[in-house]
Amino acid sequence: GESVGLHLPTLSVQEGDNSIINCAYSNSASDYFIWYKQESGKGPQFIIDIRSNMDKRQGQRVTVLLNKTVKHLSLQIAATQPGDSAVYFCAEKGDAGKSTFGDGTTLTVKP
Amino acid sequence: GAVVSQHPSRVICKSGTSVKIECRSLDFQATTMFWYRQFPKQSLMLMATSNEGSKATYEQGVEKDKFLINHASLTLSTLTVTSAHPEDSSFYICSAKKAGSWNTEAFFGQGTRLTVV
Repeated sequence: GESVGLHLPTLSVQEGDNSIINCAYSNSASDYFIWYKQESGKGPQFIIDIRSNMDKRQGQRVTVLLNKTVKHLSLQIAATQPGDSAVYFCAEKGDAGKSTFGDGTTLTVKP
Repeated sequence: GAVVSQHPSRVICKSGTSVKIECRSLDFQATTMFWYRQFPKQSLMLMATSNEGSKATYEQGVEKDKFLINHASLTLSTLTVTSAHPEDSSFYICSAKKAGSWNTEAFFGQGTRLTVV
């Protein structure tokens, strides 16, 4: 079946360091992926997306890399700040726009 | 940006009663809205896809008679948890897609924390 999963459930980094959050997916036909940030008690917040015809996409302090060969994507956060502490989900966009979410990685930024 | 609003943000109800949660797209029309449920320290699980003017499509294992969904307009979908029990306590989140878009992001509401006592 189709699934989207994350490699590690938690990640702790020092403020100012770069963070890398990984995600594996199993559906080779997936063509659109989104990273979301979810703070405690809130809904997911869009961070960045990438389509399967791309390998890399950059935003403000964030970069998403897509490796279709091994069905893996990653989210890189530069100069991580305390406000980046949250749970991060990758999601694969399927039919009609519904999202299949991975398990989530909890990012903790230490001051 | 596109704003999706859920109401209420928190609700406590007694076991056996019904609770209605609203999901509104404030500045765009949404032909499709999605309802998710999230238990503590778990991921979002899709419950159903709500299409304006038609019946909702439920994911496997989700009881359609217990979780009633109505999408009567292009800006409003409601989820009613009927005969709620403590195991229905969860974080319910909706998302909405702009009309006319296909494979683009959906916008999420802030979630509703349901506690059944």
